[in-house]
Amino acid sequence: SPELTQPPSVSVSPGQTARITCSADSLPRQYVYWYQKKPGQAPVLVIYKDSERPSGIPERFSGSTSGTTVTLTISGVLAEDEADYYCQSPDSSNTYRVFGGGTKLTVL
Amino acid sequence: QVQLQESGPGLVKPSETLSLTCTVSGDSITSGNYYWSWIRQPAGKGLEWIGRFYTRGSLNYNPSFKSRVTISVDASRNQLSLQLTSVTAADTAVYFCGKEGGYGESYWGQGTLVTVSS
Repeated sequence: SPELTQPPSVSVSPGQTARITCSADSLPRQYVYWYQKKPGQAPVLVIYKDSERPSGIPERFSGSTSGTTVTLTISGVLAEDEADYYCQSPDSSNTYRVFGGGTKLTVL
Repeated sequence: QVQLQESGPGLVKPSETLSLTCTVSGDSITSGNYYWSWIRQPAGKGLEWIGRFYTRGSLNYNPSFKSRVTISVDASRNQLSLQLTSVTAADTAVYFCGKEGGYGESYWGQGTLVTVSS
């Protein structure tokens, strides 16, 4: 099964830019999806298909790719963006999905 | 707007079967081109993908659950169900059901806590 590696934590000050990476260990690389998860709340999809933003998600959330690494960028971070962020991707045959280990974003 | 509500026993004994239901309102669970999924999150740990039903007629499961997991759909009740057999303490988690589409549509229930303990 594919493995998705994320940094355990990222810290930024309000107004700065946060970058969270997700590295896939296998090729071909499938699309990556990013979820925001706050304690006690349902997960929220913030980026799909590497760089597409769902309706209702603020423009400060964006996604990009470079080789086997996908990056979630949050520009002008707000206190409300403090959460755990998970990347998710299908396996090579697109039959099941795998989550990365998650990254805790702390807004200082 | 679609709404999803997970329900089921909050406490299950080890080696028994965990059974959860996701009741869908505001949408039909069998129409369109969507995935209806289950994921879970153990306390203090990350999200884990369990499996999904695709409205075009397929079921997919996380291989790590081997043959323990079954997802089913009751169209008449507009419900998605999850069964996980031979549970252990490692299956203690908050379980979420969700609906997702190919264009960023993503809706999730608030989750239900299941504790495996004797």
